[in-house]
Amino acid sequence: DAEITQSPRHKITETGRQVTLACHQTWNHNNMFWYRQDLGHGLRLIHYSYGVHDTNKGEVSDGYSVSRSNTEDLPLTLESAASSQTSVYFCASSEGRQGLREQYFGPGTRLTVT
Amino acid sequence: GENVEQHPSTLSVQEGDSAVIKCTYSDSASNYFPWYKQELGKGPQLIIDIRSNVGEKKDQRIAVTLNKTAKHFSLHITETQPEDSAVYFCAATKYNFNKFYFGSGTKLNVKP
Repeated sequence: DAEITQSPRHKITETGRQVTLACHQTWNHNNMFWYRQDLGHGLRLIHYSYGVHDTNKGEVSDGYSVSRSNTEDLPLTLESAASSQTSVYFCASSEGRQGLREQYFGPGTRLTVT
Repeated sequence: GENVEQHPSTLSVQEGDSAVIKCTYSDSASNYFPWYKQELGKGPQLIIDIRSNVGEKKDQRIAVTLNKTAKHFSLHITETQPEDSAVYFCAATKYNFNKFYFGSGTKLNVKP
């Protein structure tokens, strides 16, 4: 079955270190998204991509970067981790065709920055 | 950009009662409104959605209503069951604009 996976599921890192969170989907979806989830804020969009080599900033993109070299993967990089980036991170994908807009979410990565 | 507000942040009901969660949005151009359910330790999952050309949509015990004039939409769960306990998120987006704006979430607790 097609799916969307994230790795690692849990990560503890130190302030200032570079961290990369992986997201892989096997639906061949054009659109991929990264969100962070914090209590009281719901899901906030970090970066998103509408296809290979396309990336766009979301509402909370400072300190994060993404690259899309193929359809299946959208890794999220924290250039220099900060304690404020402690959060649960969700990757999502959607087909992107007109009228088909459901986003499918991965299981999440819990990141702790100490 | 779009701003979606969701209320209440927590909701506790007795099994068998109804639950209502409300959301408002700011961008009158938004025309697609999905609702997601997130169980503990999992990613959100779509449970129902509504488009702006429809005022109400039902799926078994779940219904969503949309008032475009007032820019608000609501999730209604009837005959609640303990397995309905989860966090629910509303979202809004524009046609051909796949980026979602999510509400802050409602933690629903259904007491047996």
